[in-house]
Amino acid sequence: AQSVTQLGSHVSVSEGALVLLRCNYSSSVPPYLFWYVQYPNQGLQLLLKYTSAATLVKGINGFEAEFKKSETSFHLTKPSAHMSDAAEYFCAVSEGGGNKLVFGAGTILRVKS
Amino acid sequence: GAGVSQSPRYKVAKRGQDVALRCDPISGHVSLFWYQQALGQGPEFLTYFQNEAQLDKSGLPSDRFFAERPEGSVSTLKIQRTQQEDSAVYLCASSLASGGVDTQYFGPGTRLTVL
Repeated sequence: AQSVTQLGSHVSVSEGALVLLRCNYSSSVPPYLFWYVQYPNQGLQLLLKYTSAATLVKGINGFEAEFKKSETSFHLTKPSAHMSDAAEYFCAVSEGGGNKLVFGAGTILRVKS
Repeated sequence: GAGVSQSPRYKVAKRGQDVALRCDPISGHVSLFWYQQALGQGPEFLTYFQNEAQLDKSGLPSDRFFAERPEGSVSTLKIQRTQQEDSAVYLCASSLASGGVDTQYFGPGTRLTVL
């Protein structure tokens, strides 16, 4: 069965610092991987997705993630944090050909001024 | 264009009441999904429709949960005889086609509180 583990339920960074949110997945087949962001009282918004075309995926708002098969990881990074990045971030996996998403528990990102 | 909309945004029910949650997907989207998000957790899959056909309902937690999409557009998630453990945010998502790579677009959710 698929599963997603997000290390760290809360991450705090200073404005301008590197953002690193960790995601490890388990899948029996080559996966599709997603990062979503959720602002308070809003739905989830897609940041980026990996669909096997390229291991380094660039998304919106300056975020990117790298698929590392050997480490079964898909960590999310951003070089310089902005206050507006404060939100909850979810990593999700969908097995090839499947439809439902399996989400991690989420990481709340706090950005300090 | 308009995104996925859900109504009501907030619902308070007394234990034992039936509730109905509505989802309006993006026009033309074939696939529709329901997820349940408990407080402090990630969303968990409930059920999936391709047009009007319910192809996967493996995530529905009990037979008190029922979903339909009779005309392949609007969907309703019904919960009968609500229990306190049903309190959660119910998210609806739609996608254009039916492949696993298609982006799912989420609505704002319905926050259900069962007293």
